[in-house]
Amino acid sequence: GAVVSQHPSWVICKSGTSVKIECRSLDFQATTMFWYRQFPKQSLMLMATSNEGSKATYEQGVEKDKFLINHASLTLSTLTVTSAHPEDSSFYICSARDVRGSNEKLFFGSGTQLSVL
Amino acid sequence: SQQGEEDPQALSIQEGENATMNCSYKTSINNLQWYRQNSGRGLVHLILIRSNEREKHSGRLRVTLDTSKKSSSLLITASRAADTASYFCATDASGANSKLTFGKGITLSVRP
Repeated sequence: GAVVSQHPSWVICKSGTSVKIECRSLDFQATTMFWYRQFPKQSLMLMATSNEGSKATYEQGVEKDKFLINHASLTLSTLTVTSAHPEDSSFYICSARDVRGSNEKLFFGSGTQLSVL
Repeated sequence: SQQGEEDPQALSIQEGENATMNCSYKTSINNLQWYRQNSGRGLVHLILIRSNEREKHSGRLRVTLDTSKKSSSLLITASRAADTASYFCATDASGANSKLTFGKGITLSVRP
């Protein structure tokens, strides 16, 4: 099956610094990737849809300048949390669809636990 | 916004028993999907049922869909300790390339 690799799996940073999270589709091309945020014991909240070669589409309430998304190739999307603060601490997950298949189910990365001190 | 609402929120059963989880949604869908998440990990796709289907099986999984009631159920038969995880239903309103809307999830604990 399709594999999505997300890196790093966890990161601790100081308040005010920026953190980049990578999401790669290893054996398929993904024109669209999705970034989610998940708080403990809660559901996934869609933050943005990353489109290869164009601007990301952000969900209502998500700051574009805070959460920078770049989807420069068909296999890589990055999420940069700029000027991170403790309230940004969360579990971030990416997902992608395999364009070769029915294109309906999502393949997920293993997630990144971000802790901002 | 969340569309899928699962119940119960938490379920604890003995190994070998069946686990039934329910999901309700509010708007029309193209398909409904169930995912599993182990603690601190990403989600894994389990099964997809389309709006014109009523029941589907995959191994020990059985999913039903009632579009008139806007509800779905996931049955795991002969549960194992390894089935312990969180389970999410997700609705897809318009098919390929659309975004999925996830429910709040059900925490399943299977006691050995």
